Parts: sequence; C-alpha cells; structure tokens
Amino acid sequence: KAGVTQTPRYLIKTRGQQVTLSCSPISGHRSVSWYQQTPGQGLQFLFEYFSETQRNKGNFPGRFSGRQFSNSRSEMNVSTLELGDSALYLCASSSSSVGEKLFFGSGTQLSVL
Amino acid sequence: AQTVTQSQPEMSVQEAETVTLSCTYDTSESNYYLFWYKQPPSRQMILVIRQEAYKQQNATENRFSVNFQKAAKSFSLKISDSQLGDTAMYFCAFMKLSGGSNYKLTFGKGTLLTVNP
Repeated sequence: KAGVTQTPRYLIKTRGQQVTLSCSPISGHRSVSWYQQTPGQGLQFLFEYFSETQRNKGNFPGRFSGRQFSNSRSEMNVSTLELGDSALYLCASSSSSVGEKLFFGSGTQLSVL
Repeated sequence: AQTVTQSQPEMSVQEAETVTLSCTYDTSESNYYLFWYKQPPSRQMILVIRQEAYKQQNATENRFSVNFQKAAKSFSLKISDSQLGDTAMYFCAFMKLSGGSNYKLTFGKGTLLTVNP
C-alpha cells in the first residue's frame, strides 16, 4: 500500500504570493490533517478534514485554508505569504473512526523569501 | 488546553545500550492517547508506539517500551539495544478523545537522539 504522498517536496515563494500544497492519503483513509513544523513553534495543528468536511481547526489566521476532495485527497492553501510562513508542512491520514494512528507524509518544505 | 513537555532537547547513547526519553503532559481529560513519533533526517514522522490512557499495562513494540504513569502524567520511552538507525528526533504527543478532537495531536518540542557507534 502506498504511503501518504505530499507534493511538491520543496517550494520557494516570495512574500505576498499564494501557495497550494497537495496531499494524497493512504488508500481507504478518509481523514486528512495538516501540521506546520517550525524550529521556533514546533509542530502545530492546522486543520483536519473528513469526507470533504472540515471537522477541526487550529489557531491559524484565515490566510490558511484547506479542502478535501471526494477521493480524500486534500489541498492546503496559504494566501498573502509572510516570511513567518516558512516551514515544513506535514500531512497525515487516518482510517480509524476514533483517530488513533496517524500516518504522515514526508512533508513540503516551504521557503518564503 | 493540553501541553506536552520534553525536558531533554538532546541525548546520546552508545550503540547496543539502553536510553530513556522523558515526557510529561498536562490535561484535565480522562480519555486520551499518548504517542511517541520519530522523525529521522528524511523528515517523515513515524509512529513508534501508542498508549491508551485507560490501559494500565505499558505498551511495548519490540525494542521500544513506555513507562506510563497516569497519576504523575508522565510518559517516558525506553529504547533497548539502541541501533544507529534509531538516530532521529523523537516527539511525544497527546490526543484527547472527546469534543471532536480525535485527530488532533499536541506535540512536545522533541528530543534529538544520537546513537553513537
């Protein structure tokens, strides 16, 4: 079974631009969640989607948004990029109705110049 | 809100020896899971072990075991027979099982473990 796939692996943008990151979950997994990892703040929860509905959202500004498609693939969008948005963005998928085991992708490293 | 604290930013151990990573957490919840994840240089987060709070028995996965002290809110990870491939950042994480937060992990800051040959 293929793991969680995130594309692209690396991304360089400039301030003010917008960016879209993609995540394909493990086949059969219906939940996709996103995390931001930075050296200063560590790992922080962004949001979680299940069957195309956002169920949970972290404390991030409205510039951060996401969506999930009917095939469970998910995209995350950041508009009006700021230098502080530079981070590793990790996607995780889960099949369990309770959550429990989250399987992570290798992340997208976003650099904002 | 839940908090997870890992007091050891870095640790090192000799190959084949045993090492213990510490984690404490703060919560008012009674129903939750605790996890240890490792993040090697490849950056992918890999689940090492999981503990259900309602279980008194400590979880074990091959060379990895935990010491779960619910009253003390402590959750340490013991790695036996350390291998070079165990070199990674280790994160302790908390997941509460209520209020629609079943998929939200709260992570500690991590402990960088280096296994020396």
